[in-house]
Amino acid sequence: DIQLTQSPSTLSASLGDSVTITCRASQNINSWLAWYQQKPGKAPKLLMYKASSSESGVPSRFSGSGSGTEFTLTISSLQPDDFATYYCQQYSSASRTFGQGTKVEIK
Amino acid sequence: QVQMVQSGAEVKAPGASVKVSCKASGYTFTGHFIHWVRQAPGPGLEWMGWINPNTGVTNHAQKFQGRVTMTRDTSISTAYMELSSLRSDDTALYFCARVRTKDWALDAFDMWGQGTMITVSS
Repeated sequence: DIQLTQSPSTLSASLGDSVTITCRASQNINSWLAWYQQKPGKAPKLLMYKASSSESGVPSRFSGSGSGTEFTLTISSLQPDDFATYYCQQYSSASRTFGQGTKVEIK
Repeated sequence: QVQMVQSGAEVKAPGASVKVSCKASGYTFTGHFIHWVRQAPGPGLEWMGWINPNTGVTNHAQKFQGRVTMTRDTSISTAYMELSSLRSDDTALYFCARVRTKDWALDAFDMWGQGTMITVSS
């Protein structure tokens, strides 16, 4: 199975900061990567698909990049609603895997 | 609007089985693969498997081999996930999720159910 490793596990930041989360795949997944935001007790919300395409309605401060085995999610100018846990997910094969998550918390 | 509504929380004894339903509305049920994902208490999402609602073909993670069954009833636009031989470490919030692109398997999940809490306890 393809493994995804996210870093950091926790990220402390202030309102208005720009933050970047990294997701590394154990093998080439081309651009078949998605990013989700999850808040406690809620279902994940799709932010990005195909590594860099924004889902409809997602604010422009979210951006994704990368291909192959290394990917990033950047949030420019953190807003109060952005404090949450973020997961990457690969869908390059019939089996899917998620990264372990990155919690973005208020400094 | 597109919705996926799951069945309610359940408490099960170790060794029992549970069947979770996921009723879809607002789109063509047979056009989009449905996946199941679970989240044990704490962070972390675990992919369980998928069903093609059009054909009934399924695929699941190796760790659930022999314990998970995914089915669907197209007449009521509902997918089901049954997990048997429950253990305490199956205690989790179970989600169904829709693949975003019609008639295409390799895509992200754009719509999710609200989650069903399954507690395994004696």
